[in-house]
Amino acid sequence: DVKVTQSSRYLVKRTGEKVFLECVQDMDHENMFWYRQDPGLGLRLIYFSYDVKMKEKGDIPEGYSVSREKKERFSLILESASTNQTSMYLCASRAIDRGREQYFGPGTRLTVT
Amino acid sequence: GENVEQHPSTLSVQEGDSAVIKCTYSDSASNYFPWYKQELGKRPQLIIDIRSNVGEKKDQRIAVTLNKTAKHFSLHITETQPEDSAVYFCAASRDAGGTSYGKLTFGQGTILTVHP
Repeated sequence: DVKVTQSSRYLVKRTGEKVFLECVQDMDHENMFWYRQDPGLGLRLIYFSYDVKMKEKGDIPEGYSVSREKKERFSLILESASTNQTSMYLCASRAIDRGREQYFGPGTRLTVT
Repeated sequence: GENVEQHPSTLSVQEGDSAVIKCTYSDSASNYFPWYKQELGKRPQLIIDIRSNVGEKKDQRIAVTLNKTAKHFSLHITETQPEDSAVYFCAASRDAGGTSYGKLTFGQGTILTVHP
């Protein structure tokens, strides 16, 4: 059974803080993704990684960066958190040779005050 | 890039009725169209998907239809039950080629409420 975990379910940070969101998957998936979910806007792709140390910008990368040093772990970094980054953040992973399903983590509700 | 529009944003039905959610996409190269269901407080999960070489796919009470010419696809749920209440997301993707392989563009979501 695929398991995708995220480091925190709820997080409260202050404006200007550096924030790290961690995602770990245990199924040796090559692809990993970070989305933010906002009501009425669906899931919007921030960054994705198709393999270790490889990354590509998604649709809304501004204000974010990512790191993938190991295959199982994909980190999202908010260099200087702002109130408009208050959102639900979802991580997902996918194998490139075993179907196309993306498996999601439980999400991190980030509030920036 | 791809753009996916989803309608309606909310849908309310009586138990036993059918529900239909529609999506349109802009990129004619997209060839994979999944639907995800997200129950309240839970993570999105794939419920059905379709590739562009077929026009319809069914799985028990749910079905998806695809019209490549018009660039739209729809989710059909028959004999709805209260446990079908959730947010449903459509998505579109290019199935292969280049580093965009596997990247999904999601619609805005539809909140489905099934009243007992």
